[in-house]
Amino acid sequence: KAGVTQTPRYLIKTRGQQVTLSCSPISGHRSVSWYQQTPGQGLQFLFEYFSETQRNKGNFPGRFSGRQFSNSRSEMNVSTLELGDSALYLCASSPPIAGANVLTFGAGSRLTVL
Amino acid sequence: AQKVTQAQTEISVVEKEDVTLDCVYETRDTTYYLFWYKQPPSGELVFLIRRNSFDEQNEISGRYSWNFQKSTSSFNFTITASQVVDSAVYFCALSRGGGSQGNLIFGKGTKLSVKP
Repeated sequence: KAGVTQTPRYLIKTRGQQVTLSCSPISGHRSVSWYQQTPGQGLQFLFEYFSETQRNKGNFPGRFSGRQFSNSRSEMNVSTLELGDSALYLCASSPPIAGANVLTFGAGSRLTVL
Repeated sequence: AQKVTQAQTEISVVEKEDVTLDCVYETRDTTYYLFWYKQPPSGELVFLIRRNSFDEQNEISGRYSWNFQKSTSSFNFTITASQVVDSAVYFCALSRGGGSQGNLIFGKGTKLSVKP
């Protein structure tokens, strides 16, 4: 059974650009969550999608957005990149079972903003 | 507000030593879940254990054991006879019991180094 796949694994952007990251969940998982990991702030929740609807959102500016497609694949977008957006972005999926919120994480997309 | 505190930033032990990673949480929910995840250098978070707030039984899985105490709001993780492969960052996390299943609140993590 394939795990959570994130692409690209590494990318370098410059300030002001925008970036799109992709996440393919485990087959059958309908919930996808995104996290930002930085040395200073640690792991912080960005947003969660379930059946193409954003179910929850963390405390991030509107430059951070996401969406989920009918096949449960998800993308997140960061516009007008800032140096502080350099981070490891982790995606996680979970099965559609109430209370069984065990997240399976992907290997992450490491974004460097220059 | 919900919060997870892992007071130990880094721990270094020699192989075969036992090591305990501390986790203290804060929540006003009566139903919640606690987790431990491991993050090796590759970056992928690996799930280790989940506990719900109504299950205070300790758990042992091989060399790993977990001690959940609601009275002290702690969920500590012990590795017995540590091995070099245990070297990683370990995160404790908390989530609510309701519909926000994907929203975990993580501690800052404890970096464990096991030296041969």
